[in-house]
Amino acid sequence: SQQGEEDPQALSIQEGENATMNCSYKTSINNLQWYRQNSGRGLVHLILIRSNEREKHSGRLRVTLDTSKKSSSLLITASRAADTASYFCATVPYYGGATNKLIFGTGTLLAVQP
Amino acid sequence: DTEVTQTPKHLVMGMTNKKSLKCEQHMGHRAMYWYKQKAKKPPELMFVYSYEKLSINESVPSRFSPECPNSSLLNLHLHALQPEDSALYLCASSQANPGRGRETQYFGPGTRLLVL
Repeated sequence: SQQGEEDPQALSIQEGENATMNCSYKTSINNLQWYRQNSGRGLVHLILIRSNEREKHSGRLRVTLDTSKKSSSLLITASRAADTASYFCATVPYYGGATNKLIFGTGTLLAVQP
Repeated sequence: DTEVTQTPKHLVMGMTNKKSLKCEQHMGHRAMYWYKQKAKKPPELMFVYSYEKLSINESVPSRFSPECPNSSLLNLHLHALQPEDSALYLCASSQANPGRGRETQYFGPGTRLLVL
């Protein structure tokens, strides 16, 4: 399976603390993305980092990418109860063609306690 | 409008039934996707349509039959399903032309399917 792995599987923190999730993948990639899913509903795109980038920021989100280790991390700073959700990394393999095949990691369930 | 809609929200069907899931988007996206997600698992790609043509079938059993009647609509026809097919079925869309615009996928809220 090409599926990536994330750790931890579950994370519980207090509001205001930072949350860090890690993702490891198996193949060469074009880019890596992070998505959020609330309560088994649709996924929402959070941030994308390309294979030639090492770090990216968006609001309270910081993503790093280490292609030599085939790993990425997502840091959410100053967490809020509303950040409670499942977070998935998704890789786009180095792949030609007209479509965008996403391979999702196993996910991290984040619970932010008020 | 960045919304992908899916109907129905919930569906219960017997193993001999025929039903269809529907997905619609009005973002002008020409790539549309079906994913299957089991509880506590990540989404798994089933099918990809690009410019209304099937471009990827991830070895999905023939009891699942996709259809893309136009650039805004995507259907998934279900027939003779098994209880293990119970899952959340997610639709997504993206731009299709090569380039940065196609990289982000927009997901619908999903249809939760229970096969009895």
